[in-house]
Amino acid sequence: GNSVTQMEGPVTLSEEAFLTINCTYTATGYPSLFWYVQYPGEGLQLLLKATKADDKGSNKGFEATYRKETTSFHLEKGSVQVSDSAVYFCALSDLGNYGQNFVFGPGTRLSVLP
Amino acid sequence: SAVISQKPSRDICQRGTSLTIQCQVDSQVTMMFWYRQQPGQSLTLIATANQGSEATYESGFVIDKFPISRPNLTFSTLTVSNMSPEDSSIYLCSVGDLYNEQFFGPGTRLTVL
Repeated sequence: GNSVTQMEGPVTLSEEAFLTINCTYTATGYPSLFWYVQYPGEGLQLLLKATKADDKGSNKGFEATYRKETTSFHLEKGSVQVSDSAVYFCALSDLGNYGQNFVFGPGTRLSVLP
Repeated sequence: SAVISQKPSRDICQRGTSLTIQCQVDSQVTMMFWYRQQPGQSLTLIATANQGSEATYESGFVIDKFPISRPNLTFSTLTVSNMSPEDSSIYLCSVGDLYNEQFFGPGTRLTVL
């Protein structure tokens, strides 16, 4: 079945540091890939997405590129801020035998220190 | 994008009781989803609710424990029945279409004593 694997957290960085959160996936078809962010006490918000190989999703300084050859969708940001502290979820959406199949990774907690 | 609201935002309940969570969307949508997020964990899909048909439950979730209603294209409810402390979680509803992103409500934080 489909699955998503993320690097284990928590990740602690100083402000203005470079961020990478690794995400790899397993899928039988050609999935769309997403990064969601969950700020403390809130629901999930879509951060960015990519729907086909080599697409780059970007938003709020975050980027991720859909790499079919390595089945990866790593999240990057060049300079993190304290306000980026949150839990980040990688996810995929694929058409399975019974309709849409949406799978989330375990989440990676990011803490950014001033 | 869709705007989704949930009621209640949080509740503290006694074991053995039931709680119904409401999910309201500001536009008509075909597919609605209910998720559970246990403390410090990722999201687990409970069921998919399409208007006009019975909900489809994922493995490990049953209708007697989590009955769902979907009376129209903008509204759904999830009931957590005969609660125990193990049901303490955040419950989230979402809407989405095939290959598109899902939009999430703010969640209902449930604590069972």
